[in-house]
Amino acid sequence: AQKVTQAQTEISVVEKEDVTLDCVYETRDTTYYLFWYKQPPSGELVFLIRRNSFDEQNEISGRYSWNFQKSTSSFNFTITASQVVDSAVYFCALSETLQETSGSRLTFGEGTQLTVNP
Amino acid sequence: SQTIHQWPATLVQPVGSPLSLECTVEGTSNPNLYWYRQAAGRGLQLLFYSVGIGQISSEVPQNLSASRPQDRQFILSSKKLLLSDSGFYLCAWSVGTSEADTQYFGPGTRLTVL
Repeated sequence: AQKVTQAQTEISVVEKEDVTLDCVYETRDTTYYLFWYKQPPSGELVFLIRRNSFDEQNEISGRYSWNFQKSTSSFNFTITASQVVDSAVYFCALSETLQETSGSRLTFGEGTQLTVNP
Repeated sequence: SQTIHQWPATLVQPVGSPLSLECTVEGTSNPNLYWYRQAAGRGLQLLFYSVGIGQISSEVPQNLSASRPQDRQFILSSKKLLLSDSGFYLCAWSVGTSEADTQYFGPGTRLTVL
């Protein structure tokens, strides 16, 4: 069975600090996809990034960056120069194909509540 | 562009009452549709998914059911709500047939069963 672990339940930082959110996953699949979602207080999950297991290049998008290390089964997310608007719950997720049909199942971690204080 | 709607946004229901939550997607055809529940404590659990009209698969045995009467409409129902049904219900859509497909989520319905 697949599993995603986000060991950090809550993180609190002061604005402009850098913060890294950890994600460790378990899967027996050789090909798989990892995702990060952001859930602001409004509740809607916002898609941030998708990464496949064959691409270990780090990715940067503005203040966001992701470090994928297959050797340690980790997919960590760093926010540089954090802002108050970054306050949200962040979820890491792992997908698998639903064998009996098309479509996929996302296995989510428990999420990390990030609070950025002014 | 694609958009996904859910209603109602919030709902307070007594134990034993029926439930109907609706999800519709615009701007795409033949999407895969999903219902997730997020209980207090934040974890999301897949409840149902559908790859086409009338095709529903259940992930977790419970007193909930789902239906897909139209291509872009997904409904979550219950005949008699339990206290444990309280939570935040999220509908999602994707297109494609593999684990590479990104799922996009709706705004959610917050259900409180009293």
